[in-house]
Amino acid sequence: GQQVMQIPQYQHVQEGEDFTTYCNSSTTLSNIQWYKQRPGGHPVFLIQLVKSGEVKKQKRLTFQFGEAKKNSSLHITATQTTDVGTYFCAGPIDQGAQKLVFGQGTRLTINP
Amino acid sequence: GAGVSQTPSNKVTEKGKYVELRCDPISGHTALYWYRQSLGQGPEFLIYFQGTGAADDSGLPNDRFFAVRPEGSVSTLKIQRTERGDSAVYLCASSLIGHRGELFFGEGSRLTVL
Repeated sequence: GQQVMQIPQYQHVQEGEDFTTYCNSSTTLSNIQWYKQRPGGHPVFLIQLVKSGEVKKQKRLTFQFGEAKKNSSLHITATQTTDVGTYFCAGPIDQGAQKLVFGQGTRLTINP
Repeated sequence: GAGVSQTPSNKVTEKGKYVELRCDPISGHTALYWYRQSLGQGPEFLIYFQGTGAADDSGLPNDRFFAVRPEGSVSTLKIQRTERGDSAVYLCASSLIGHRGELFFGEGSRLTVL
């Protein structure tokens, strides 16, 4: 089963409201990646976090990697309709394994 | 090519048939992944190639699934004796440096088994 958990599964907001999705891993991660998938589209890379406690910003998006490197969050300030989609976190779960394991995603819908 | 190319984009087949799905990665990318995505779920890892060899095939659900990458570029995912539960979008991704780097996904091949 999934070893990377995301909450919430769904989030509906009014345009202009903030949005946060949380990602938790059962094991320590060497890095965590975030992807966005628009409805009907494919996952598109947003960012990678590597360091413990790292915070990175992309315009209205703020990404954080936990101190223990087992959790991460994505926060969007003042959502816009272009933010609609599903946000996935992904990490290499097993030391030495090559696979990137994805969370089940948080689907964001926005009321304009 | 400019991005990861997958063919066919849609495949409808009958239960028990054999299907092949093709992935043409970004030129120069040595790492290639196959994922499967069901509706409302995250991509589920199937297999990872580094060059020509399958470095990790632990995600293949059973021996009906097989993938090859004979020349270290194009890969084919092969599914024998398809079952209705195999219906999903099969995503291919490539990367320069494997799981430590950004994955570039193709548009996917939607497989429907009737």
